[in-house]
Amino acid sequence: DAGVIQSPRHEVTEMGQEVTLRCKPISGHDYLFWYRQTMMRGLELLIYFNNNVPIDDSGMPEDRFSAKMPNASFSTLKIQPSEPRDSAVYFCASSRDNSYEQYFGPGTRLTVT
Amino acid sequence: AQKITQTQPGMFVQEKEAVTLDCTYDTSDPSYGLFWYKQPSSGEMIFLIYQGSYDQQNATEGRYSLNFQKARKSANLVISASQLGDSAMYFCAMREYNSGYSTLTFGKGTMLLVSP
Repeated sequence: DAGVIQSPRHEVTEMGQEVTLRCKPISGHDYLFWYRQTMMRGLELLIYFNNNVPIDDSGMPEDRFSAKMPNASFSTLKIQPSEPRDSAVYFCASSRDNSYEQYFGPGTRLTVT
Repeated sequence: AQKITQTQPGMFVQEKEAVTLDCTYDTSDPSYGLFWYKQPSSGEMIFLIYQGSYDQQNATEGRYSLNFQKARKSANLVISASQLGDSAMYFCAMREYNSGYSTLTFGKGTMLLVSP
């Protein structure tokens, strides 16, 4: 079975540029999560979807961040405009339902210069 | 207050020895689940083991076992017969099932180094 797929694996961009991170969850999983990991703050939940509907976006840092899930097999996290403090590893995860473990993608390492 | 506390920033263990990684949690929800994840240097997050709050027995998964002490609100991960490949960051996490949300709350992690 294919796991959670994320692209790109690495992204280096200049401050002010738009960045789009992509995620394909495991087929059949109804929940999709976006996390950010930094040394200072650890692993933080940004937003999660259930059946393509955003349920909780309280972790999204500010209006520069937006996430969409147009269908069950694809989600994007967009940062516009990007800032150096957005540099982090961004993980996408999916799970079957409320009770099950989340499976993580390999992450996207974002560097904003 | 932190919901998940991992008090050991780093642990060292020799190959073939057992090691316990500590995790304490804080919740008033009677229904919750506790998870352990491993993050090797390559960066991916790997699910290891799960314990439900109503489970009567401690969870085990191969060399991993979870020492669940509900009254103490602790869910320590025990790795038996450590291997060099166990060197990684380990995260404890909790999900509260009656909160209305499906989110996992993660601890800060413990770095485990296994030496030959």
